[in-house]
Amino acid sequence: AQSVTQLGSHVSVSEGALVLLRCNYSSSVPPYLFWYVQYPNQGLQLLLKYTSAATLVKGINGFEAEFKKSETSFHLTKPSAHMSDAAEYFCAVSTGGTSYGKLTFGQGTILTVHP
Amino acid sequence: KAGVTQTPRYLIKTRGQQVTLSCSPISGHRSVSWYQQTPGQGLQFLFEYFSETQRNKGNFPGRFSGRQFSNSRSEMNVSTLELGDSALYLCASSPGSLGNTIYFGEGSWLTVV
Repeated sequence: AQSVTQLGSHVSVSEGALVLLRCNYSSSVPPYLFWYVQYPNQGLQLLLKYTSAATLVKGINGFEAEFKKSETSFHLTKPSAHMSDAAEYFCAVSTGGTSYGKLTFGQGTILTVHP
Repeated sequence: KAGVTQTPRYLIKTRGQQVTLSCSPISGHRSVSWYQQTPGQGLQFLFEYFSETQRNKGNFPGRFSGRQFSNSRSEMNVSTLELGDSALYLCASSPGSLGNTIYFGEGSWLTVV
């Protein structure tokens, strides 16, 4: 069975600072990895996904993530935080099989951006 | 093209009642999944339907059920509501193949009183 661990339930950064949200996964088969963002009272919006084509994945809004198999990690980064980045971020894993539509999520990280 | 549409957005029910939530996937998507989101348990997978068949089910009691119609629209039903069923219920759709992007709707907020 797969699992996801997001290190840090809350991360606070200053506007313009580096954003680093950590995600580690556990999977017995090659995983598909996703980062989603959720703004208050909204659904989940896909930021980026890893599907084995390239280890460095670029997403929307300046976010990117690097897949490191040796570390079983898929950390999300953004060079310069913006106030509009304040939201909750979820890392998720899918391992396919007969469960293509099943995602296993981490507990989420709330990102706060200070002026 | 239109995204995943969920109705109703907000509803309040009384303990013991039942509720039906509806989801219209993105046009052409054959897979519809449902998730429950609560502050304590986070995002949990309920079930997935593909071409009208339940393809996978999460660890929820039998009070939670769903179905998918021939046009890929899906409904989920919760019977004999409990206070703990208060949550945001999210529907997601995808074409249904490995590695496909999974798109989420805005969710249905259910409050059980």
